[in-house]
Amino acid sequence: GAVVSQHPSRVICKSGTSVKIECRSLDFQATTMFWYRQFPKQSLMLMATSNEGSKATYEQGVEKDKFLINHASLTLSTLTVTSAHPEDSSFYICSARPTNSGNTIYFGEGSWLTVV
Amino acid sequence: KQEVTQIPAALSVPEGENLVLNCSFTDSAIYNLQWFRQDPGKGLTSLLLIQSSQREQTSGRLNASLDKSSGRSTLYIAASQPGDSATYLCAVVTGNQFYFGTGTSLTVIP
Repeated sequence: GAVVSQHPSRVICKSGTSVKIECRSLDFQATTMFWYRQFPKQSLMLMATSNEGSKATYEQGVEKDKFLINHASLTLSTLTVTSAHPEDSSFYICSARPTNSGNTIYFGEGSWLTVV
Repeated sequence: KQEVTQIPAALSVPEGENLVLNCSFTDSAIYNLQWFRQDPGKGLTSLLLIQSSQREQTSGRLNASLDKSSGRSTLYIAASQPGDSATYLCAVVTGNQFYFGTGTSLTVIP
């Protein structure tokens, strides 16, 4: 089946630094990718929808200047957490929808971010 | 806005038991419903996908049903095994979005 790869799977960074998480569709092209965040014991919450070649659409309450999303190619979307703070520590997961596949969406393995 | 609720939040059963996990949603205008498994520290593994026109899907010991009119889905796990221990999430696709439930944490005791 289709594979979505996220990297890194775990990252620890110092408060105030920026960290980038990559989401790659390995065997298909994805015009649309989605980024989610999951805090402990809570559900996955959609942060933003990433569209190749255009600006991401952010959900209400998500700071677009803090969570920079770039979808520069049909197989790669990146999420950069800028000036990270401990409260940004969370599980971030992406999903990708193959172009021309209807509503089938494939999820990455997720990335654990710890800000110290 | 779609709201997805899962009951119970946690469940502990002895090995070999059959069990049912519940998922309810408020907006019946869904495209499909999907059940996922999430192991601690890991990502999501898709278990079953039910299209809105379908009533159920089966895969091995898993059976998922969908009743759109009542806004409910169930995941039935037969003959549970310790390896089934994980958090189970249901998600409904409405329009362009997944809406996830808060999950049921399942522990199967050997």
